[in-house]
Amino acid sequence: QSVLTQPPSASGTPGQRVTISCSGSSSNIRSNYVDWYQQLPGTAPKLLIYRNNQRPSGVPDRFSGSKSGTSASLAISGLRSEDEADYYCAAWDDSLSGVVFGGGTKLTVL
Amino acid sequence: QVTLRESGPALVKPTQTLTLTCTFSGFSLSTSGMCVSWIRQPPGKALEWLARIDWDDDKYYSTSLKTRLTISKDTSKNQVVLTMTNMDPVDTATYYCARFASGSYDAFDIWGQGTMVTVSS
Repeated sequence: QSVLTQPPSASGTPGQRVTISCSGSSSNIRSNYVDWYQQLPGTAPKLLIYRNNQRPSGVPDRFSGSKSGTSASLAISGLRSEDEADYYCAAWDDSLSGVVFGGGTKLTVL
Repeated sequence: QVTLRESGPALVKPTQTLTLTCTFSGFSLSTSGMCVSWIRQPPGKALEWLARIDWDDDKYYSTSLKTRLTISKDTSKNQVVLTMTNMDPVDTATYYCARFASGSYDAFDIWGQGTMVTVSS
């Protein structure tokens, strides 16, 4: 059971906008930055969003992150087939003094 | 260019101790803000954070695995070592090391390719 809660799956058609949620608590999301990682099949995770809503260089602006209270969201607009991957949220947890991950969301592009 | 590479045994027996090495380049663990973490992923399951070591030698461990983990660094060799004692089949996973840049990204900005460890007799 992951500390951060994500829907196990999400889907959309090419060109659509999809949103993936990440729910936590006051000890993690509310008080710390949220990051998002993309894991393509058979590869290592890749940083997608850091500090709630910042994109590393090279990440398309189709990807955006937001945070409100104890929840965060990843939005992907203009969905493309290559976006099909697993997505994970993560945050530092003050109570655990460690990083907690969400259970991951498998995105399918129909 | 920042790179990290994990190395260690592919197969360990139950009750044995696992030793994994993360060899990195392109940054120094003596530089303020630089940290390295270990994260694992059982087959078909989610990521699980294990431990972190900072430039100033501060160390953090997963609460659930704290008694079994030890993380250390050799700054001169650009290596971080993780040991996990009393291995069990449920510890079968791909183990990743990743850089955490505190004060800049505040996230795992670079990951190694991972090393698969199977625990079986």
